[in-house]
Amino acid sequence: EAGVTQSPTHLIKTRGQQATLRCSPISGHTSVYWYQQALGLGLQFLLWYDEGEERNRGNFPPRFSGRQFPNYSSELNVNALELEDSALYLCASSYDHFYGYTFGSGTRLTVV
Amino acid sequence: GENVEQHPSTLSVQEGDSAVIKCTYSDSASNYFPWYKQELGKGPQLIIDIRSNVGEKKDQRIAVTLNKTAKHFSLHITETQPEDSAVYFCAAQAGTALIFGKGTTLSVSS
Repeated sequence: EAGVTQSPTHLIKTRGQQATLRCSPISGHTSVYWYQQALGLGLQFLLWYDEGEERNRGNFPPRFSGRQFPNYSSELNVNALELEDSALYLCASSYDHFYGYTFGSGTRLTVV
Repeated sequence: GENVEQHPSTLSVQEGDSAVIKCTYSDSASNYFPWYKQELGKGPQLIIDIRSNVGEKKDQRIAVTLNKTAKHFSLHITETQPEDSAVYFCAAQAGTALIFGKGTTLSVSS
């Protein structure tokens, strides 16, 4: 069974640009969660999508947004990039809300 | 909202020793507490979890204990091996999301 896949693995952007990160959940999982892992801050909850709808979001500004497609894959968009947005962005999927989260390997976003 | 504190931030042990990582949470409504292991260059991997109706759960060398009254839970690793070296995260369910601790870097030296 394929795990959660994220692309790209690495992304380098200039301050002020937009970044798009992608996630494909495990087959059969309808929920996708996005987390930001910045150095020293652990995993910060960003967004939860389920059945194509945004169900919950963490304490992040509106320039962090995303969507979930009919095949349950998801996209995270970060607009007007700032240097402090540099982090590892992790996607997780689950079959039953937050039980049994399975994480992907992440996208390393670097803003210069 | 939910807040999860994790200690220690770093832990160094000799191979064969036991390691204990402790977490506290603030929301008494939380009822699901997973632990994740993250190796370099990989995403976190679920290693064990516990629900609030259980006080202890064990899986081979790994065990988790939960004290709901005190709002703390702990990860116990016995007979540590070099391959246990990684960053460990605790988490607590808060509504419809998991809130994570800041992580513990475990180093096991042989």
